[in-house]
Amino acid sequence: EIVLTQSPATLSLSPGERATLSCRASQSVSSYLAWYQQRPGQAPRLLIYDASKRASGIPARFSGSGSGTDFTLTISSLEPEDFAVYYCQQRSNGPPTVTFGGGTKVEIK
Amino acid sequence: EVQLVQSGAEVKKPGESLKISCKGSGYTFSSYWISWVRQMPGKGLEWMGIIYPRDSDTRYSPSFQGQVTISADKSMNTAYLQWSSLKASDTAMYYCARHLVDSSTYNTRYFFDNWGQGTLVTVSS
Repeated sequence: EIVLTQSPATLSLSPGERATLSCRASQSVSSYLAWYQQRPGQAPRLLIYDASKRASGIPARFSGSGSGTDFTLTISSLEPEDFAVYYCQQRSNGPPTVTFGGGTKVEIK
Repeated sequence: EVQLVQSGAEVKKPGESLKISCKGSGYTFSSYWISWVRQMPGKGLEWMGIIYPRDSDTRYSPSFQGQVTISADKSMNTAYLQWSSLKASDTAMYYCARHLVDSSTYNTRYFFDNWGQGTLVTVSS
């Protein structure tokens, strides 16, 4: 099973700052990786899929990069509504198995 | 507008059975795979399994195989998640989520573009 490790666990930043979140896979997932945002009390929301494609309606300040085993989600300038938990997610080949990373909480400094 | 609306919160005792639902609207429900995802209190996301409502083709995560049953009624545009005998460890929020379909190839992707609001299941004696 492919394990996704997210770092850091918590990121303390101020509005307007740049956020850089990391997701590392235990083996290559090519570009089959997504990022989700989960605000408190809400369902997750798809931000990025195929490592770098923005989902419908997602602001341009969110961008994704990487391939293979190392991936990054960047928020160019944090808005108040961006303080949330972010998860990466991949799908393994063969019998379908989906795994999520443990999450990174972006909190207000 | 695509919507997935889940049934309300449940409080059950250990050993009881339960079936929760996820009703889709605003799209052709039978043509999109639906997954179920668990989130235990204060924890991350865990994928449970997937169903294709058109023919009820179902696959389970090895972690949940035999623990739950996923089903769908395409005439009702509804997917279900059920337990025959609940445990305290089943206490969690459960989400249904629609799979993304690639707009150029029409292939189903294992990314989730629309989510239900979640159903909180509490199991306590």
